[in-house]
Amino acid sequence: DGGITQSPKYLFRKEGQNVTLSCEQNLNHDAMYWYRQDPGQGLRLIYYSQIVNDFQKGDIAEGYSVSREKKESFPLTVTSAQKNPTAFYLCATTPRLADTDTQYFGPGTRLTVL
Amino acid sequence: AQSVAQPEDQVNVAEGNPLTVKCTYSVSGNPYLFWYVQYPNRGLQFLLKYITGDNLVKGSYGFEAEFNKSQTSFHLKKPSALVSDSALYFCAVRDGDTDKLIFGTGTRLQVFP
Repeated sequence: DGGITQSPKYLFRKEGQNVTLSCEQNLNHDAMYWYRQDPGQGLRLIYYSQIVNDFQKGDIAEGYSVSREKKESFPLTVTSAQKNPTAFYLCATTPRLADTDTQYFGPGTRLTVL
Repeated sequence: AQSVAQPEDQVNVAEGNPLTVKCTYSVSGNPYLFWYVQYPNRGLQFLLKYITGDNLVKGSYGFEAEFNKSQTSFHLKKPSALVSDSALYFCAVRDGDTDKLIFGTGTRLQVFP
């Protein structure tokens, strides 16, 4: 987990609220990713970014938004349009978007909708 | 479409015995394969990867994996299991068309004393 921080560790949200999850890295990696983890479903890609001010939708982007204003930061906003947001959210980075590069993961944020 | 399958939801093994966690894949082109481990309420930790070269790949914490092209498998192994190896293990394959990682659904390893 070293070099990638996610905050908060636990987050509670009321229905209808937007919340923002933080992901910061000091590894000087170019590419950053957001995944959602649900029991028995593995990890699903929400958004990813290869460079500053550019990002692409993953497989389940609906109801989420991101920004990449700085290389070190890739915050994820879970909007009220996301109908089932309770999950464990993981941020990851790679040195560059290359097919042999290992992805390194942060410690995760557990979001619960009340 | 690229995919990866972990056929076992859970694997139980006694401490000191060898362990195997299975993974099969389907890709077009060269497979780039990864294993990760996740402890409760933590992020994923990288164990090892196969890109090219020797079919037996050695990784962290005494784990190794065997790439078998004819069987399209990449099983994770360890000669002697520890109780501390109990965790959730994920196999992943790089999608050659999109460069994204595709993860299996995970296998929970339980090592009993």
